[in-house]
Amino acid sequence: KAGVTQTPRYLIKTRGQQVTLSCSPISGHRSVSWYQQTPGQGLQFLFEYFSETQRNKGNFPGRFSGRQFSNSRSEMNVSTLELGDSALYLCASSLGLAGLNTGELFFGEGSRLTVL
Amino acid sequence: TQLLEQSPQFLSIQEGENLTVYCNSSSVFSSLQWYRQEPGEGPVLLVTVVTGGEVKKLKRLTFQFGDARKDSSLHITAAQPGDTGLYLCAGKSNDYKLSFGAGTTVTVRA
Repeated sequence: KAGVTQTPRYLIKTRGQQVTLSCSPISGHRSVSWYQQTPGQGLQFLFEYFSETQRNKGNFPGRFSGRQFSNSRSEMNVSTLELGDSALYLCASSLGLAGLNTGELFFGEGSRLTVL
Repeated sequence: TQLLEQSPQFLSIQEGENLTVYCNSSSVFSSLQWYRQEPGEGPVLLVTVVTGGEVKKLKRLTFQFGDARKDSSLHITAAQPGDTGLYLCAGKSNDYKLSFGAGTTVTVRA
């Protein structure tokens, strides 16, 4: 059974540019959650999508956006990049909504973004 | 501000020693999970605890959920280099949100 796949694994951008990250969940999983991980802040929740609808949103500015397609694949976009956006962006899939039950989150290996 | 506070932030011990990692909050959680993340990989679920006072054992790892469901601990007995990693706790609140702590980086020296 294939795991969660995130692309690209590494990328370097400059301030002001925009970036799109992709996440393919485990087959059959309908929920995709996105997290930003930095050494000082740990895992910060960005948003969660379920059945193509955003169900939960964290406290990030509007420059961070996402969407989910009918096949459950998800993308997140960050516009007008800032130096502070440098981080590991993790995607996690689950069968149902992440917070509804004691179900497990399956994480991808992440996309490491460096903003210069 | 983290909803879940983990301590210590860093822990370095010798192989064979024991260690305990703590996860505390002022909020009540319906369940709490522990994940381990190794360098270059995403977090992997170790355990889910649901009932206040619950204790779960996974080989050399013992997880405890506080009676009030506001805190948890992870104890590793006779740590091995393979236990090295970032340990994250994650709490599910009654409003169906999942919050992660900042993590404890554990290094076990051979």
